[in-house]
Amino acid sequence: KQEVTQIPAALSVPEGENLVLNCSFTDSAIYNLQWFRQDPGKGLTSLLLIQSSQREQTSGRLNASLDKSSGRSTLYIAASQPGDSATYLCAVHFSGNTGKLIFGQGTTLQVKP
Amino acid sequence: NAGVTQTPKFRVLKTGQSMTLLCAQDMNHEYMYWYRQDPGMGLRLIHYSVGEGTTAKGEVPDGYNVSRLKKQNFLLGLESAAPSQTSVYFCASSYDGTSGYEQYFGPGTRLTVT
Repeated sequence: KQEVTQIPAALSVPEGENLVLNCSFTDSAIYNLQWFRQDPGKGLTSLLLIQSSQREQTSGRLNASLDKSSGRSTLYIAASQPGDSATYLCAVHFSGNTGKLIFGQGTTLQVKP
Repeated sequence: NAGVTQTPKFRVLKTGQSMTLLCAQDMNHEYMYWYRQDPGMGLRLIHYSVGEGTTAKGEVPDGYNVSRLKKQNFLLGLESAAPSQTSVYFCASSYDGTSGYEQYFGPGTRLTVT
């Protein structure tokens, strides 16, 4: 079964720390992987999309890496800020699934001032 | 450019009532999706569409119907609501594979069935 797992479920860090969120998936045959941010009571905002042929993508203080052979992706947040507090979701588009995403449960991040 | 919009934002239904959720996108996307989000279950795909006039079942389609009569709209119907359908419903859209299927989400509809 194709599954996506995110560990830890929750994370609390002081402001200014660099941090890593983890995502693992059960099948290395993927088309792409997408990281989202969700604020409480809101919809999902796309942060980064990594195609299967790519190793990483960067946007501002965010860097996402992809290692298909080990079934892992990481989201690196540099110099965290209280405004980064949110739930971060990893979603995988497995090959052959025609656009359908399988989501992890998310990591809820709290950045304390 | 509004992106993906959903109507209504909130709704309370009694068991057995019916309703339709409307999703609209102005990005000329081919693909559209309906998800539900529940605590402890994450986001799960209900139905999706790969183009105008097409629909397909996702992971949890029972109790729901969909229609895609116009490219920009994707409707999700509940014919006879049940308490188990209490959830937050999200619509999303994307281009096809040539643009990587990156999905853009609407703000959600919070539905309570009593």
